Amino acid sequence: ETGVTQSPTHLIKTRGQQVTLRCSSQSGHNTVSWYQQALGQGPQFIFQYYREEENGRGNFPPRFSGLQFPNYSSELNVNALELDDSALYLCASSLKRFGIEEDGYTFGSGTRLTVV
Amino acid sequence: AQSVTQLDSQVPVFEEAPVELRCNYSSSVSVYLFWYVQYPNQGLQLLLKYLSGSTLVKGINGFEAEFNKSQTSFHLRKPSVHISDTAEYFCAVIPTTDSWGKLQFGAGTQVVVTP
Repeated sequence: ETGVTQSPTHLIKTRGQQVTLRCSSQSGHNTVSWYQQALGQGPQFIFQYYREEENGRGNFPPRFSGLQFPNYSSELNVNALELDDSALYLCASSLKRFGIEEDGYTFGSGTRLTVV
Repeated sequence: AQSVTQLDSQVPVFEEAPVELRCNYSSSVSVYLFWYVQYPNQGLQLLLKYLSGSTLVKGINGFEAEFNKSQTSFHLRKPSVHISDTAEYFCAVIPTTDSWGKLQFGAGTQVVVTP
């Protein structure tokens, strides 16, 4: 399977609810990272998984959590949604652990989350 | 800590004219440097990267960038743009000491190409 697929493409949630975003990475890509891109800003690193273990986390609260599965899929879960969580959430996968070799990270098209 | 500054939030340019997008970074350690492009409603696509070696880096779609260590800059250039180059462009760094390969992005530069 080629490319990175994210679902859903758009989502509207109410403040206080919980949401799960999904990502299907390229086969063989053991590293997956999640980024939050607020409107008009660059993407901000949320966390990274390597072979199903979290191995890096950005400046995001614990209500942002994730999972990576053996079939190269992953999830981003956000609990107790706040209005400021409205953003585009990007998933990126890499063949190598650090993502700087060869083609680096392959990004999905993102999930646009709106919290009302 | 590192920071990435893209000096222009928006760059209007006519078709077939040259364009330069400016990127400066601040870091206490050496960094790897990247330029990504984001077309409307799409994810990020890698244009080019600097890891080491020649400071002039050539990427896809006719883009190139030059790493200037003394000025801590990594400006992106294209000698002749097309309408299809209309997109958001992001400069990003990864510190060489980063054990996770975490990308740190600038705020982006919107390029609008008009006929």
